[in-house]
Parts: sequence; C-alpha cells; structure tokens
Amino acid sequence: SQQGEEDPQALSIQEGENATMNCSYKTSINNLQWYRQNSGRGLVHLILIRSNEREKHSGRLRVTLDTSKKSSSLLITASRAADTASYFCATDNAGGTSYGKLTFGQGTILTVHP
Amino acid sequence: DAGITQSPRHKVTETGTPVTLRCHQTENHRYMYWYRQDPGHGLRLIHYSYGVKDTDKGEVSDGYSVSRSKTEDFLLTLESATSSQTSVYFCAISPTGVVDQPQHFGDGTRLSIL
Repeated sequence: SQQGEEDPQALSIQEGENATMNCSYKTSINNLQWYRQNSGRGLVHLILIRSNEREKHSGRLRVTLDTSKKSSSLLITASRAADTASYFCATDNAGGTSYGKLTFGQGTILTVHP
Repeated sequence: DAGITQSPRHKVTETGTPVTLRCHQTENHRYMYWYRQDPGHGLRLIHYSYGVKDTDKGEVSDGYSVSRSKTEDFLLTLESATSSQTSVYFCAISPTGVVDQPQHFGDGTRLSIL
C-alpha cells in the first residue's frame, strides 16, 4: 500500500510565484524527507524533518509537519524555471527495524513557466 | 554527486529472458537499495542490502533476486523477465541505514520488456 500520498499531482505556476505541495501518510514515522527529481535523472534529497519538529527551512524551501494529521507540506518560495521537476515525499516506519527503508509518495510534477 | 553508477542505462529485451542490472558505488556505503518507478506508484522498494551478502525483500520483490558479493556492487536480476517488469529502476545508497540519513540515487536504468 502507498504510505505517502501527494497532492496536487501536477502544479503549473509562473516564475516568482510560490508553490505548495502536500503529502499525507498512514503510519507513525520517525522523520519525513522531501526529494526532487529532474526529468531523466535520479532523486536528489532536499530536506528532512523529524517527527518532533513542526517546521524547517532551507533556503527557499519551507517544510511543515503535522503528525496529528499525518501530513506534511513543502513550500517553494519565489519559484524559478529551474525548479521545474517532480517532488516526492518519503517516510520511514517508526515500528520495527528500519534499515533506512523509505516509502515514497506518488509525487507532484511542478512546472514553472518563465 | 555521490558516486553511483547504474548500468546499463537503457535496455530492451524480450519476455522470458534473464536480465541483470548493476549498481556500482564508490562511497563505501553499507546500505544499498533497489527501487522501481512507475507512473501512479512513485518509487517502490524491491530489495535492499545492509552489508556484503546481507539482503532482504522490499515491498515488490516477486520476480526479482539480488546479490551483493562486495561492498561496491549490488546486482538486481530478473530471472525471467515479464512485461509487467517494464519500468525505470533506481539504485540508492546510504552510509548508515539510520532513518535520518538521506539516500543518494543513481540516474536509473530504463528497462523495456517486449
């Protein structure tokens, strides 16, 4: 079953606008990560937020986590055409031995128009 | 970028043939993972390794086997390829397998089974 569900599936905005993507998950987690994937490339880690954190910033990225609602959001401020990519959330499972295993959401395709 | 090389990058083969994909890393990381990426499913874990000769199944392991005879190489084998295994395959590595460590991904192998 899919641990992470993301919405919207696709988002189209103009350069300079903010982009918000949401992720929901089902089980208890230790942390949640966001990754970015450019077309034809592998995933690149963006930011990690721990279950005891509510908000985290990294440059133009702002991530929030609401463990009571089992949801997270990724905000990209002042978007650029170079931000065009797919964005995925990934969660671990707080129960049992993890071995670093992650469960990924289906992703949001972000298109930023110049 | 983390030193991860996947080979081949593209492969077309026929149903029923064996296929082996290779993941090679130069980071000396202990943990390695194989994922497949399909539209509507995000990334799903096939198998993972937590050391030389130590491997275990992921979410979608049926029809796949893996081997890890040395730290740097993790092989994924489709014993008898089926059309449902047409996908993009990604290898990822992690130094510790601790849940708060990001994974680093290769650029993928696009596999088409006719």
